[in-house]
Amino acid sequence: EAQVTQNPRYLITVTGKKLTVTCSQNMNHEYMSWYRQDPGLGLRQIYYSMNVEVTDKGDVPEGYKVSRKEKRNFPLILESPSPNQTSLYFCASIAQGAPNTGELFFGEGSRLTVL
Amino acid sequence: AQSVTQPDIHITVSEGASLELRCNYSYGATPYLFWYVQSPGQGLQLLLKYFSGDTLVQGIKGFEAEFKRSQSSFNLRKPSVHWSDAAEYFCAVGRSNDYKLSFGAGTTVTVRA
Repeated sequence: EAQVTQNPRYLITVTGKKLTVTCSQNMNHEYMSWYRQDPGLGLRQIYYSMNVEVTDKGDVPEGYKVSRKEKRNFPLILESPSPNQTSLYFCASIAQGAPNTGELFFGEGSRLTVL
Repeated sequence: AQSVTQPDIHITVSEGASLELRCNYSYGATPYLFWYVQSPGQGLQLLLKYFSGDTLVQGIKGFEAEFKRSQSSFNLRKPSVHWSDAAEYFCAVGRSNDYKLSFGAGTTVTVRA
């Protein structure tokens, strides 16, 4: 079954304590992306990756890092989380070939609370 | 850069009534257009998409959307809503060169009995 898997699904942490949200996809997609969802703002892109070792900033990259060492994994790293990073995070991989070109396949989301 | 506007933050509709959600986009070339739905506490599910061809697109759950280039719109419609359609709906526009998607702020649909 085609899947994007995120972990953890729920996390409560404290300011400054480094954390990593993992993301893995089994569809051999080259493109992957991270979004955050906040009420009234929709989904905003944090970072995206067009292939292994190729990453680029999205619209709201401040306070985040990513890495893409292998095609299936695209972890999101918060080096020093702050309360304004409390949000619902989605990882997505993007189909490139027909018939699903451009379609995002989303993980189930990771709800992060930073105290 | 592309952008998406969903003018309606919240819509309430009676069960069995028709529904139309508005989406306007800004993009210089022919866009990829999507509608996603998010039920409470759930992830996002693709309802339908437009890449090219027929401007009236059929999706899952009885939804359809019409691409109108002259109006830069991609409105979502359903002839008769069910209580299970209560959810948040997101319109998104993408570009073909790097698949970057921009999302609207979402429209929350409440269905009353």
